Amino acid sequence: NAGVTQTPKFRILKIGQSMTLQCTQDMNHNYMYWYRQDPGMGLKLIYYSVGAGITDKGEVPNGYNVSRSTTEDFPLRLELAAPSQTSVYFCASSRTSGRSTGELFFGEGSRLTVL
Amino acid sequence: AQSVSQHNHHVILSEAASLELGCNYSYGGTVNLFWYVQYPGQHLQLLLKYFSGDPLVKGIKGFEAEFIKSKFSFNLRKPSVQWSDTAEYFCAVDLGAGNNRKLIWGLGTSLAVNP
Repeated sequence: NAGVTQTPKFRILKIGQSMTLQCTQDMNHNYMYWYRQDPGMGLKLIYYSVGAGITDKGEVPNGYNVSRSTTEDFPLRLELAAPSQTSVYFCASSRTSGRSTGELFFGEGSRLTVL
Repeated sequence: AQSVSQHNHHVILSEAASLELGCNYSYGGTVNLFWYVQYPGQHLQLLLKYFSGDPLVKGIKGFEAEFIKSKFSFNLRKPSVQWSDTAEYFCAVDLGAGNNRKLIWGLGTSLAVNP
């Protein structure tokens, strides 16, 4: 039972490079999220999706893009990496309906360093 | 604006001490409440949740939390902590409904338990 799978786990980028963080879930959850976590700052929502073909910005979307072509996959794209994007990124998913929407299942995280 | 406050940013305890971590939220409507735990180097996982019913909820590993509606609080407790409880603890509040639904996170409390 894989749950939420993120790749890569670690990555070092140079300023200006681009990359995609992959996220896939096998729980048939409609809701998916990308968060970044910085020390002492908690979790900041970057983008989220309520279903295939639907995405929306969170608190800190600048410098990122997402797509949701299938229920399972929700990749996060960094187009021009900047040092401010050094962080740990978590993908998460949740059930669609009612009260369970707030119960998130997280991936293992991707630690990104931009130098 | 809606917010979640975790009053203790860093807590240091000795094994067998009792734990209480505060969580308050600012929202007058119906809420679903969560505590998540993040062990060192790992992803967040659900510790316990409150949707309705008995305001005292029990979670994994001996943790419990009490929802006090009049105080807008959802404090996490454990009678006797162990070294393995060293982790970061996040309170989250799921509020609103439909298109206005959102999940608000606290900034987290770092707990260190000394053996």
